[in-house]
This record gives sequence, C-alpha cells and structure tokens, in this order.
Amino acid sequence: SYALTQPPSVSVAPGETARITCEGTNIGSKSVHWYQQKSGQAPVLVVHDDSARPSGIPERFSGSNSGNTAALTISRVAAGDEADYYCQVWDSNTDHPVFGGGTKLTVL
Amino acid sequence: EVQLVESGGGLVQPGGSLRLSCAASGFTFSSYWMHWVRQAPQKGLIWVSRINVDGSSTTYADSVRGRFTISRDNSKSMLYLEMNSLRAEDTALYYCAKVHVARGDFDGWGQGTMVTVAS
Repeated sequence: SYALTQPPSVSVAPGETARITCEGTNIGSKSVHWYQQKSGQAPVLVVHDDSARPSGIPERFSGSNSGNTAALTISRVAAGDEADYYCQVWDSNTDHPVFGGGTKLTVL
Repeated sequence: EVQLVESGGGLVQPGGSLRLSCAASGFTFSSYWMHWVRQAPQKGLIWVSRINVDGSSTTYADSVRGRFTISRDNSKSMLYLEMNSLRAEDTALYYCAKVHVARGDFDGWGQGTMVTVAS
C-alpha cells in the first residue's frame, strides 16, 4: 500500500518559517491534505488539495506538492502553532485514505 | 456547524466486544461517506473503516477486517463501529470523521472515544 514519510520533529524559533515535508512515490500526482493536532485535541484541517486553506485558517499556512515531496509551510511561527502535523492522501490502489506518521512542531 | 460526538468507549478484556457510536449534526448526514480513524496513545492517525451514504458499501483496514463492522442509521444521523475479538493493539482513541463530498480530506472530526483493551 501507499506510504507517506514525515520527519518526526521540526523545531523553529518564534517568527521564523517552519517547513514540514511529506514524502511519497510520485506524490505530486495526488492531492495532499494537512492536519494540525494540538495536544489533547482532535485534528483540524489546515490545508486541502495541496495548497488550499479552509475558511478560518491563517494565510501563514501554505502548501506545495511536486515530484515525490509535498510540504506544509508555516510562516511567522508562533507558540500557538506548536502541534503535531499530519499529511494525508487517498491511495487509489486500495481506495482508502493514508496518513503520514506525523511531525511534531516545536517552537523554541 | 458540523458536530460529531462519539461514545461507547471503555475498558474491555482481550477477546471482548464493544460498540462505538457517533452522533452527527450540523450537516446532511445521509449525503456523506463516513469514516472511523484511530490513534493509539502517543502514536499517529490510522484509518480504520468507511461506509458509503446508504450503508451498502463498507471498507476496512487489513488490521480490523473480519473483526470490526461499520454501520449507519441515516434516520437517526448515527454512525456505529461494532468491534469484536478485541486485541491489545486495538487500544486507541477512536474518531468519527466526515469526508468532504468533492475532495478526499476529512473536514469534520469528533473529539474521539477511548478504547482500552487490557486484562
């Protein structure tokens, strides 16, 4: 089945830019969705279809997808952005969703 | 506003059974495919099962196929997960989730219900 690989952790200072990657074979041909999960809370969709933001999500959150790597970029990182972030695609072979292993974003 | 409220979790012995429920509101439940996603303690999100709009088609992750059964009652806007032959590795927070009708993302999540399988 299709596999997605994320770095376990990313650390960034406040005000800087965080980039969280999601690797998968030819992931550029798929639509990638990103979720933010703060401690003790349910996941929240922050980017869908590679780079679109749902209503209410700040412009600081952006996404890209090409080749074998998709990425979620968070600019002007603040303490409130500290969370686990998950990428997700739809596996066309099994016809069910697949999640990456998650990346813990730490704001230094 | 989409609301999904799970219930039915608890402590169960290995080999036991449990039935999870998810009460949906704030959207036309009968128009959406619904899913269960689980998260073991300190671990990532894992898709478990899905059901189509009228319940005629269901799909399961390999790890639960044959043991879990997903179902729905559109008249009550309820989603269910019947879990049998439970194992320690089924211990997790179980989320009910709604998929966007035209995309493949989960645009609505419940708060989850915890299932602990232990003797």
